[in-house]
This record gives sequence, structure tokens and C-alpha cells, in this order.
Amino acid sequence: AQSVTQPDIHITVSEGASLELRCNYSYGATPYLFWYVQSPGQGLQLLLKYFSGDTLVQGIKGFEAEFKRSQSSFNLRKPSVHWSDAAEYFCARNAGGTSYGKLTFGQGTILTVHP
Amino acid sequence: DSGVTQTPKHLITATGQRVTLRCSPRSGDLSVYWYQQSLDQGLQFLIHYYNGEERAKGNILERFSAQQFPDLHSELNLSSLELGDSALYFCASSVAKGTEAFFGQGTRLTVV
Repeated sequence: AQSVTQPDIHITVSEGASLELRCNYSYGATPYLFWYVQSPGQGLQLLLKYFSGDTLVQGIKGFEAEFKRSQSSFNLRKPSVHWSDAAEYFCARNAGGTSYGKLTFGQGTILTVHP
Repeated sequence: DSGVTQTPKHLITATGQRVTLRCSPRSGDLSVYWYQQSLDQGLQFLIHYYNGEERAKGNILERFSAQQFPDLHSELNLSSLELGDSALYFCASSVAKGTEAFFGQGTRLTVV
């Protein structure tokens, strides 16, 4: 079965530091990959997505992610973290076909930002 | 604001009861997806409806059912509730052949 793994349950960074959140997906046809962010008490907001083409994708709030087929990875990065980035981040892939919104999510990574 | 509306935001009910969660998709979106988020299972896909028809099922219990109405809003019915059904239930919508889903704020269900 398709799966998504986020190896880091919790990451702490200082404000202004760079950030990289890891995501690995199980082998399969080129997946559609997503990063979502969930702030406390909020829904899931789409940060960015990868379908095909350029393997470096830009998203909202200054985030970017790089698709690496050889490593089955889709890591999320930000050069300088702001305190408002503290949230839980989810990597996801979809099943393709006609169910584009049928997503398999990773376990999530909680980001804490220290001032 | 994603444009997806879920009601109610919070729901507290007793074991054995039945509840209905409601979702209004973004204007023009024909697909509605339901997800459950719990501490032990994480985010799990439950079911997908497209223009009133069921398209895909995930790990949805037999005690749970859903439907999508002609005006495209959807309802998730949860019956014979158990303590373990306490979770955050999300609805998401996408365009007919869109490539991303937009999520609502969720309904937090607490079963006591």
C-alpha cells in the first residue's frame, strides 16, 4: 500500500534559523505530493504541491519543497523561520485516478519555534 | 478561509448516540472527501463523493455513512457512537478533475 513517512515527530528551531522537514513516500508511479500545515484548532492549509515538471516547487509563506525520485523524498524547506510558522506539518500523496483528494498522510511533524 | 464550511464546529454526545456532520464545499466543487483525525490513527481518508455518487471508500466503519445532496453539500452520519470515535472530522472539496483538495476547519466530536 502507498505510504508516507515523516521521520521527525517534533522539531524545534530558533526564529530566523533555516528549516527542513523530511518526507518519504513509498515506491510507486510518480505521485502527486503535497505539504499541508495545521495550526492549533485550525483546518489544513495547502502550502505547496508537486505533480510533474520542475522538481523544486515554491509555495506560500516562503516555503519550498524538492522532489527527489532517487530518494523517494519530498522535503519541505524554509530559509528563515518566523514564530508564526509554529504548527503541525503534514506531507501527503494522493491516489491518482479520479480521486484526487483521496490523500494518504504522513504522521505529521510538530514545529516549535523559539524566540 | 478555504471556502469549505463545516458545521457544527464542536459536538459533544454520549455513547450509543447518532450525530450528523455537515459540509458545504467550495462553490463549483463537485467532489467532497471526508477525513478523520485522531491521536492514534492520524489523518485517515473515509469516503469520497462526486456529484452525488460515492466514488471511493477508505477506512470507514459500517456504523458511519455519508451522502452528497443535489446542492452538493454532504453529510457524514455517525451512529452507535463509541468513545473511540472521538476525533476531528474534516471535509475537503476539489473541482471535478482538480489536483488539490481544500479542507474545512473540521468538526471536533467528543463522545462521553
